[in-house]
Amino acid sequence: QKEVEQDPGPLSVPEGAIVSLNCTYSNSAFQYFMWYRQYSRKGPELLMYTYSSGNKEDGRFTAQVDKSSKYISLFIRDSQPSDSATYLCAMSDLIKAAGNKLTFGGGTRVLVKP
Amino acid sequence: DTAVSQTPKYLVTQMGNDKSIKCEQNLGHDTMYWYKQDSKKFLKIMFSYNNKELIINETVPNRFSPKSPDKAHLNLHINSLELGDSAVYFCASSQDLQHPRNIQYFGAGTRLSVL
Repeated sequence: QKEVEQDPGPLSVPEGAIVSLNCTYSNSAFQYFMWYRQYSRKGPELLMYTYSSGNKEDGRFTAQVDKSSKYISLFIRDSQPSDSATYLCAMSDLIKAAGNKLTFGGGTRVLVKP
Repeated sequence: DTAVSQTPKYLVTQMGNDKSIKCEQNLGHDTMYWYKQDSKKFLKIMFSYNNKELIINETVPNRFSPKSPDKAHLNLHINSLELGDSAVYFCASSQDLQHPRNIQYFGAGTRLSVL
């Protein structure tokens, strides 16, 4: 079983809908949680960065972390066709000796249809 | 200006060859990384360097040798290429290892195909 699990999708939604993405993890030492967006044949681009539990909002994006359940979520409001991409969750326990190693989920492919 | 740049973008080569991938960042960051993304899209860390010092070597075969000539560059040399080395290799950098300066910025990737 992988340390970070993420449904590969594809997740297909109509334009304007809310996209809901999530990851579960097994390592309780993870404290830093990130969501990256990756377009086809491009590098991952950071969307959201959260420390410990709680919510964080940035424009149309909301990230939630529930450390007690080992579960993180990303919501995209008013989705646009340009949001079509693969979304990767990543996390780290960020002890300096651990070298800032990010552990990624496998990504969820999202398709927003006009 | 591209913040983290990798060359080449595509690399097609025969089994048994030796090849190098170069990475440069112009962000003034202290820490650089190499990741491998397999066909199922899993991104897995291979190496990280902080101030030219190796911090992570994630059980990568010793055919893979990273070299950091200075803080702005982290190159990846691969000896005796195998079919299983075919993947996309991403370079990344962060300001340093500590929150909140640990955010990693990725390059566009090098798509390696071993025939």
